[in-house]
Amino acid sequence: GEDVEQSLFLSVREGDSSVINCTYTDSSSTYLYWYKQEPGAGLQLLTYIFSNMDMKQDQRLTVLLNKKDKHLSLRIADTQTGDSAIYFCAERGTSGGGNKLTFGTGTQLKVEL
Amino acid sequence: DVKVTQSSRYLVKRTGEKVFLECVQDMDHENMFWYRQDPGLGLRLIYFSYDVKMKEKGDIPEGYSVSREKKERFSLILESASTNQTSMYLCASSLSAHEQFFGPGTRLTVL
Repeated sequence: GEDVEQSLFLSVREGDSSVINCTYTDSSSTYLYWYKQEPGAGLQLLTYIFSNMDMKQDQRLTVLLNKKDKHLSLRIADTQTGDSAIYFCAERGTSGGGNKLTFGTGTQLKVEL
Repeated sequence: DVKVTQSSRYLVKRTGEKVFLECVQDMDHENMFWYRQDPGLGLRLIYFSYDVKMKEKGDIPEGYSVSREKKERFSLILESASTNQTSMYLCASSLSAHEQFFGPGTRLTVL
């Protein structure tokens, strides 16, 4: 079955770059996603990347995909205190009619002043 | 704006009680999902539904059932609540596979 792994915690200083990493096992993944969960809220989609792409940039966010190693990363440039949240990696495979996402364990990002 | 609402933010129930968690979305989405979120385990899919009266088991369906009588409403049922079902429950809906829209969650405590 699908498995998605992330490290649990990351701490950075305000203004630095943050890099959150994710590994997945399903080689049939078609899309990979990053979701953000702020305290007391549900998840919100940040960005996604198609599996035949290597990189996607969206303002302060850069997603890198190494399909050979099944490794996905999210880089946040100029990290701000408002970026403190839990970040979830998710992959969409072929199970469940392609509508099912498998989420990772989540990485708690703490931004310090 | 898409809105997904969940009936309660916090719920406390006793072991053995039957528990209903309700989720309503206002965007005519076909797909609806129930997850539980536990520290260190991330989100795990309990059940999902891609149409009215249709349901599919997720990764951890044991001890749960669901009901989708109307397109906008997806209910999660704990037939006999147990302490190991204490968790945060998140509902989501989607039109396509790309973006799932999440509710704020229900924190359930089973005593």
